[in-house]
Amino acid sequence: AQTVTQSQPEMSVQEAETVTLSCTYDTSESDYYLFWYKQPPSRQMILVIRQEAYKQQNATENRFSVNFQKAAKSFSLKISDSQLGDAAMYFCAYRGSWGKLQFGAGTQVVVTP
Amino acid sequence: DSGVTQTPKHLITATGQRVTLRCSPRSGDLSVYWYQQSLDQGLQFLIQYYNGEERAKGNILERFSAQQFPDLHSELNLSSLELGDSALYFCASSVADPGGETQYFGPGTRLLVL
Repeated sequence: AQTVTQSQPEMSVQEAETVTLSCTYDTSESDYYLFWYKQPPSRQMILVIRQEAYKQQNATENRFSVNFQKAAKSFSLKISDSQLGDAAMYFCAYRGSWGKLQFGAGTQVVVTP
Repeated sequence: DSGVTQTPKHLITATGQRVTLRCSPRSGDLSVYWYQQSLDQGLQFLIQYYNGEERAKGNILERFSAQQFPDLHSELNLSSLELGDSALYFCASSVADPGGETQYFGPGTRLLVL
């Protein structure tokens, strides 16, 4: 079974600075997808970024980028130029050949002015 | 707004009761997934439907059941409710399965069992 591990329960960052969230996963599959979802206080689950395992290029969405290391089974999220609105719980998720998402425990991001 | 709708937004009920949660997927999406988010279990996959048929089951209790109707909306039925069933229940939808399509989440239904 696949497992997703987020080892940082909370990360704090100052506005305009950069923060990196860690995620590791365990799988025997070669074809899969990885996601970062954001959950603000409203509890809505919002897609931040997606990475296909077969793509070597790291995904980027505006201020959000990932560092995907397939051999190391690592998938970190970098938030650049942090804004107050980035404060939320961030979940790393794995999707393999089956459709379900396997989530990590989440990392709470605190943004300080 | 993801385009996925869920009703009701909040539900308060008593132990032993039965409730139905409803989900309408995004226009064109054939797959519907149900997830439960609780403090002790985190986010867990419950069940998936694709074009009306059950596709995969996760950690879904026997007291829980779901279905997807011809118009593609889905309902999650929770019966003989216990205090531990209090959680946030999400529905998500995607275009196709399999294929790695991105899942878009609804706003969730907050269930409180007293």
